[in-house]
Amino acid sequence: DTGVSQNPRHKITKRGQNVTFRCDPISEHNRLYWYRQTLGQGPEFLTYFQNEAQLEKSRLLSDRFSAERPKGSFSTLEIQRTEQGDSAMYLCASSPGTAALGYTFGSGTRLTVV
Amino acid sequence: LAKTTQPISMDSYEGQEVNITCSHNNIATNDYITWYQQFPSQGPRFIIQGYKTKVTNEVASLFIPADRKSSTLSLPRVSLSDTAVYYCLVGTMDTGRRALTFGSGTRLQVQP
Repeated sequence: DTGVSQNPRHKITKRGQNVTFRCDPISEHNRLYWYRQTLGQGPEFLTYFQNEAQLEKSRLLSDRFSAERPKGSFSTLEIQRTEQGDSAMYLCASSPGTAALGYTFGSGTRLTVV
Repeated sequence: LAKTTQPISMDSYEGQEVNITCSHNNIATNDYITWYQQFPSQGPRFIIQGYKTKVTNEVASLFIPADRKSSTLSLPRVSLSDTAVYYCLVGTMDTGRRALTFGSGTRLQVQP
C-alpha cells in the first residue's frame, strides 16, 4: 500500500450530469476526508469519515453532494446535476486514529464541468 | 478552530534559508501545529508537526515559542524544487471530530 489513491485523475462532464469519484485510503487508516480546492485557494473541507460513519459535513456539501464509505475502506463522492461552479480539484486524505499525526493526501481528481 | 495567518507569498534564492511564520493566537491546549507543502496539481504533503519548542526532521525545522501563538517553519538551503505553497494548520487529532482547516497558504518562489 503506497498511499492514497484517487480515481479518476481527471473528469470532464457536461453541466447537469452526475459524476462519482473514488478514494482508496491507506489500508490501516480509519479516518478519511474529502476536500475541494479551486485555483489559488487552499483546500476546503467537505466531509469526514471515521470507519464507515460520516462524522462531519461542511456547509459546502450541498444536497447535490453525497459521500459514502460503505465498509470503512474506500469512499465515493458523488455530485448530482453538476454545475460549472463544481469545477475544482477534489482531494481525499486519510489518517490513522491516533493523535497528533498528519493527513496523507491523494493526488486528487480534477473535475471540469462544461 | 484556531485561525492561522501567514504571508501570502515569499521569494528566495537557491541555497538560502527560508523562514515562514504563522500566527495562531487562539490555539487551544490540545492543538498541534502542522505544516504541509503543495505542488501544482498534487495533494498537500505533510512536512512537519509539533506541539512546543523545536522539532526537526530531514526536510525542515519547526520552531514554536513558549506561548504557542505563532510558529516558524524553517527550510534550510532551499532549492528550485522547494517552490510550492506552504500551509500552516492548527488542530487536534485527539477527538477526531473536527477536520483540519486550510488557509490560503504561503506561496514560496525560489529563484536560481
